[in-house]
Amino acid sequence: AQSVTQLDSQVPVFEEAPVELRCNYSSSVSVYLFWYVQYPNQGLQLLLKYLSGSTLVKGINGFEAEFNKSQTSFHLRKPSVHISDTAEYFCAVSRRLNTGNQFYFGTGTSLTVIP
Amino acid sequence: EAGVAQSPRYKIIEKRQSVAFWCNPISGHATLYWYQQILGQGPKLLIQFQNNGVVDDSQLPKDRFSAERLKGVDSTLKIQPAKLEDSAVYLCASSYRGLAGTTDTQYFGPGTRLTVL
Repeated sequence: AQSVTQLDSQVPVFEEAPVELRCNYSSSVSVYLFWYVQYPNQGLQLLLKYLSGSTLVKGINGFEAEFNKSQTSFHLRKPSVHISDTAEYFCAVSRRLNTGNQFYFGTGTSLTVIP
Repeated sequence: EAGVAQSPRYKIIEKRQSVAFWCNPISGHATLYWYQQILGQGPKLLIQFQNNGVVDDSQLPKDRFSAERLKGVDSTLKIQPAKLEDSAVYLCASSYRGLAGTTDTQYFGPGTRLTVL
C-alpha cells in the first residue's frame, strides 16, 4: 500500500526567507511524485513532478524538489518566498497500473508568508 | 486549451436531500477522477474512470454515492441521500493516458463546495 506523509501541517515563514516543506512516502513499488498548490477557493495546480532522471526537479514559481529514494522523501523548497506563495501545498504519489494511475495525496501543509 | 469545468461551484442542501455535480474534462483526456476534500485534509479519490469504464471505486460509499460517465466525456457525481459528513469540496480532475512507461499529470477543476445542513 502507498501512503504519503506531510510532516508539517502549518509552516509560517517570513517574506524573502527560504522554506522547505517535507514529504515522505511509503511504497513497495516505483512511484511518481508530485507537488500541487491550492490557493483559497481554487482547485489544485501542479507545481512540479518527478517521473525519472535527475533527482532535482524544478517547477513553477521558483519552487524545486529533490527526490531521495533511500530516504523515500520528496521535499519541496524555495530559496526566497513571496507573500503570494501563501497557500496549501499537497504532496502526491502515483503508481502506474495497467488500467491507469492510482494517486494518493498527503494531508497538506499550509504555508503562511509573513510580511 | 480550456481547463476542467465543474458546476455548480457552491451548493447548500439539507441532510437527506439529493445533489448532483457535473464535470467536463479537458478535451481528449481519457481518465477522469472524482475526489472528496474535507476541510483540513488532502483530496481522497472517490472514483476513477478510464473512458466510460470504472477503474477504481474502492473508496466510493456506494450506498449513497454514484457516478457515471456514459459517453466517456463528461461525468456526473450524485449523492442520495446526503449526510452532514458529506460537507466537503468535490474536485474533478482529468488526465491524458500516456504511453507505457509514462505517467499522467492530473489537471484539476475549481471544485464544488457542498454544505449539508
